[in-house]
Amino acid sequence: AQTVTQSQPEMSVQEAETVTLSCTYDTSESDYYLFWYKQPPSRQMILVIRQEAYKQQNATENRFSVNFQKAAKSFSLKISDSQLGDAAMYFCAYRSGGSQGNLIFGKGTKLSVKP
Amino acid sequence: ETGVTQTPRHLVMGMTNKKSLKCEQHLGHNAMYWYKQSAKKPLELMFVYNFKEQTENNSVPSRFSPECPNSSHLFLHLHTLQPEDSALYLCASSRGQGYGDTQYFGPGTRLTVL
Repeated sequence: AQTVTQSQPEMSVQEAETVTLSCTYDTSESDYYLFWYKQPPSRQMILVIRQEAYKQQNATENRFSVNFQKAAKSFSLKISDSQLGDAAMYFCAYRSGGSQGNLIFGKGTKLSVKP
Repeated sequence: ETGVTQTPRHLVMGMTNKKSLKCEQHLGHNAMYWYKQSAKKPLELMFVYNFKEQTENNSVPSRFSPECPNSSHLFLHLHTLQPEDSALYLCASSRGQGYGDTQYFGPGTRLTVL
């Protein structure tokens, strides 16, 4: 069975600086999707970025980018120019390439942003 | 907002009560999901519906009973719950169940079982 591990329960970053959140996963599949979701306090979980496993190029969305290392089964999220609004729980998730593959989440990393 | 709404946002119930959680999506999606989010644990998938048909029941106790009358609405009926069922219950929807289909989440219902 697939598993997703986020080894950093909490992280802190200074406003305007860069922070990297770690995620590793375990799978025997070659075809899958990876996601980073953000859950601000008392607010809805929203998709930050996603990566198709067959794409070698790392996904980027504005200040958010990933470092996808398929062989190492690593999928880290880099947040550049951190803003106060980036403070949230961040969840890494894996989805199998099967027709009914379900999302498998890590336990999350709580990110604090210091002004 | 993500286009997925949930009511109520907070619910306190006794172990003998019966209550229902409601989820509605305004995205034209065909798949809907119930998740349980407990402190310090990964999100747990509970149920999946695709085109109103249940496609996944992740070994959820029968005191949780889902209902999906149409592709836009999803309910979770609760009865004789236990204190350990206290958690944030999240609803999500996606265009389909394909692995590339992004799931959009609602704000959740914070459930407390006394």
